Amino acid sequence: KQEVTQIPAALSVPEGENLVLNCSFTDSAIYNLQWFRQDPGKGLTSLLLIQSSQREQTSGRLNASLDKSSGRSTLYIAASQPGDSATYLCAVPFGNEKLTFGTGTRLTIIP
Amino acid sequence: DGGITQSPKYLFRKEGQNVTLSCEQNLNHDAMYWYRQDPGQGLRLIYYSQIVNDFQKGDIAEGYSVSREKKESFPLTVTSAQKNPTAFYLCASSKVGGETQYFGPGTRLLVL
Repeated sequence: KQEVTQIPAALSVPEGENLVLNCSFTDSAIYNLQWFRQDPGKGLTSLLLIQSSQREQTSGRLNASLDKSSGRSTLYIAASQPGDSATYLCAVPFGNEKLTFGTGTRLTIIP
Repeated sequence: DGGITQSPKYLFRKEGQNVTLSCEQNLNHDAMYWYRQDPGQGLRLIYYSQIVNDFQKGDIAEGYSVSREKKESFPLTVTSAQKNPTAFYLCASSKVGGETQYFGPGTRLLVL
């Protein structure tokens, strides 16, 4: 059974700093990994999807990396802004249909 | 404007009552999903559907039921058999299973 872990559960960072969020998974036989953002009381917004053949994927100030052999992914946020404050979740496919989610990292950017 | 909608935003259930949460998408996606989110537990899959008139149980299907009569719609019924229904319910869709999922805004269910 796939298990996905995100540590730390919460992170506070001063505005302007670069930061890294971590995601680890137990079964490395995945074909992609997704990062999502969730604002309080809202649905999830897809940020990045990395295919297993890729090592990195970039969108604006966000960069996600994937190392299947070690069962890890990181989400790098450059020049953090208060608007980046949210919970960030990673998810990997389980079988061909389902996603297994981590419990998320709650990020607070301090102005 | 393409997207996925859920209604209502808040729903109150009385003891012994069945309630139905609506999920509609106009993205022409084949796959649809229902998740439950509890504090500190992340998202757990309730039911999913890859095609009209077909659906499968997820990890926590007991006390829930679904239907998929139209491609655009995937309603979730929380039955009286679900003893702890208070949670945030999220609906999602994707072109096919395993691809990027797009989420609705969620329905918060509370028990009176």
